[in-house]
Amino acid sequence: QSALTQPASVSGSPGQSITISCTGTSSDVGGYNYVSWYQHHPGKAPKLMIFDVSNRPSGVSNRFSGSKSGNTASLTISGLQAEDEADYYCSSYTTSSSLVFGGGTKLTVL
Amino acid sequence: EVQLVQSGAEVKKPGESLKISCKGSGYTFSTYWIGWVRQMPGKGLEWMGIIYPGDSDSRYSPSFQGQVTISADMSIRTAYLQWSSLKASDTAVYYCARVSGSGWPSYFDYWGQGTLVTVSS
Repeated sequence: QSALTQPASVSGSPGQSITISCTGTSSDVGGYNYVSWYQHHPGKAPKLMIFDVSNRPSGVSNRFSGSKSGNTASLTISGLQAEDEADYYCSSYTTSSSLVFGGGTKLTVL
Repeated sequence: EVQLVQSGAEVKKPGESLKISCKGSGYTFSTYWIGWVRQMPGKGLEWMGIIYPGDSDSRYSPSFQGQVTISADMSIRTAYLQWSSLKASDTAVYYCARVSGSGWPSYFDYWGQGTLVTVSS
């Protein structure tokens, strides 16, 4: 199972919006509405930000939103804040009854 | 409050065996899948496999099948990840996480703090 494809890095200024893409295949992202997104600050445990493509867990800011079109899912962060600077990973359920992560995207808040 | 507490950091030599643990609390341990995720130094997250403590049904990533064993003891609410013969390339942080999903075990909603495993001669 190949990792999902994410850009290595994205950046934005405070207050701006950014979008991180996550591209897979019809065997994972395109085949199921089971895409999730995680925020990972180095040295801490990853945190679930979005599940089932566009659902936010309780306590996650509504500045975070998810969507999907075909084999590509996206995470959008609006109103960027300094504390959003972190690594972000997408994940998808697959036809092999397994999960696969993306390679990760480093978000820099300028 | 859901919590997953992992065992402490380990330093091992190549060829040695190791078993690390992940103890759950604050929820019905037997009715949620538990998964393991690897993060090698400077690298991204990798899905290793999951186990259902209620019946010990397990699934592995092809990359880790045969390389590690995932197990669980429902009576003490603990999941395990073990190696029979460590390699230097097993050096990584290993996270356990509870798996949730509407019908399928499809996302990790609670995570342990991570266990650093260092394998060096």
